[in-house]
Amino acid sequence: DQQVKQNSPSLSVQEGRISILNCDYTNSMFDYFLWYKKYPAEGPTFLISISSIKDKNEDGRFTVFLNKSAKHLSLHIMPSQPGDSAVYFCAASASNDYKLSFGAGTTVTVRA
Amino acid sequence: DADVTQTPRNRITKTGKRIMLECSQTKGHDRMYWYRQDPGLGLRLIYYSFDVKDINKGEISDGYSVSRQAQAKFSLSLESAIPNQTALYFCATSDSASGSRGYNEQFFGPGTRLTVL
Repeated sequence: DQQVKQNSPSLSVQEGRISILNCDYTNSMFDYFLWYKKYPAEGPTFLISISSIKDKNEDGRFTVFLNKSAKHLSLHIMPSQPGDSAVYFCAASASNDYKLSFGAGTTVTVRA
Repeated sequence: DADVTQTPRNRITKTGKRIMLECSQTKGHDRMYWYRQDPGLGLRLIYYSFDVKDINKGEISDGYSVSRQAQAKFSLSLESAIPNQTALYFCATSDSASGSRGYNEQFFGPGTRLTVL
């Protein structure tokens, strides 16, 4: 059973608007969360992360929010650009565990 | 030059054949991983290795085996390929010495697309 879930397989957004990607997890031991971005024919690349001691982490146009009580996190991309069109994976890890559990991914398409 | 390389990039094979996928890295990381990606399922861990003498099964290891020939090389084998092993396979690395949970950040190769007919 998947412990990390991304329930929206796809998202289409207009250039310049905000993209919001959601991720839910079931394992209460998870305390570190990452987002990866993947272009076709390439491997996933690390985008941004957040520790459970925080509820927000920002890096340029990318912001991740964590709601521990709801076991939910979201990635905001603002403003969205055509180069942001990719598959985004949410991943999670428990303390002292080097393994990551991944969600199924959300395909983002940014329309010009 | 790419830090994590995978060969071959594409492979078509027949049921019952033995297949080896290879991964090499120049990042100097000690930890290496093999994942497969299937539509709607994301990335699932097949095997992982924390150093040359340490090999561990992931969540879907049945039908696969691995070899860590050196710190920089980690190979995945399908002893007798079957059609439901058709997938995109990724190798990844991480550095156990990275602080502040940096050891959780994994670096991926470009992937191998495997088709088993």
